[in-house]
Amino acid sequence: DTAVSQTPKYLVTQMGNDKSIKCEQNLGHDTMYWYKQDSKKFLKIMFSYNNKELIINETVPNRFSPKSPDKAHLNLHINSLELGDSAVYFCASSQGLHGAGPTETQYFGPGTRLLVL
Amino acid sequence: AQTVTQSQPEMSVQEAETVTLSCTYDTSESDYYLFWYKQPPSRQMILVIRQEAYKQQNATENRFSVNFQKAAKSFSLKISDSQLGDAAMYFCAYDYGGATNKLIFGTGTLLAVQP
Repeated sequence: DTAVSQTPKYLVTQMGNDKSIKCEQNLGHDTMYWYKQDSKKFLKIMFSYNNKELIINETVPNRFSPKSPDKAHLNLHINSLELGDSAVYFCASSQGLHGAGPTETQYFGPGTRLLVL
Repeated sequence: AQTVTQSQPEMSVQEAETVTLSCTYDTSESDYYLFWYKQPPSRQMILVIRQEAYKQQNATENRFSVNFQKAAKSFSLKISDSQLGDAAMYFCAYDYGGATNKLIFGTGTLLAVQP
């Protein structure tokens, strides 16, 4: 059973389109994250949610909108896609509450490779 | 601001030999976690090992061990008896937690294993 799953794994689309990436975790974790890995392999946090509440928004353009229908799911919707949005997007999850000190280990999904043409 | 530095963009090791990957970080916090993640060509991020800053003992997981020097803010990864399957990008990461848990990653070290 996959602990953190993402769909789709690959996404090729045209500039200006709107697309969504879905993430689900079956670990019973309270916190979920989105990270972006650019073409140079650099990984950076975008968002985190704790029990459906937005905790981190790291100055991401408002074309990116995360949505958490329940604590097991965190989806990422991207409007008006741009060439610079091409990257690998990783979802992750961890146990533990924000404000309680360092988090437990974050477990990552397989990534979604987004290519904007 | 917390930063993580990996000064070795690429490393190479012979199969069955030992290699050490370097990582330094900058923080004013006293309680935090440090991690090494492995990313093979499949691009899956796989946890290799983690270290709690309050623990003096270095973490070990089978062939993987760390040398954690808190005062020097250094956290290197040693891979013993290297195997072909160890070839991957390795990322060092820091997590302070607090109100905004997030992993801060280094730029990665690409490890090649020569047969």
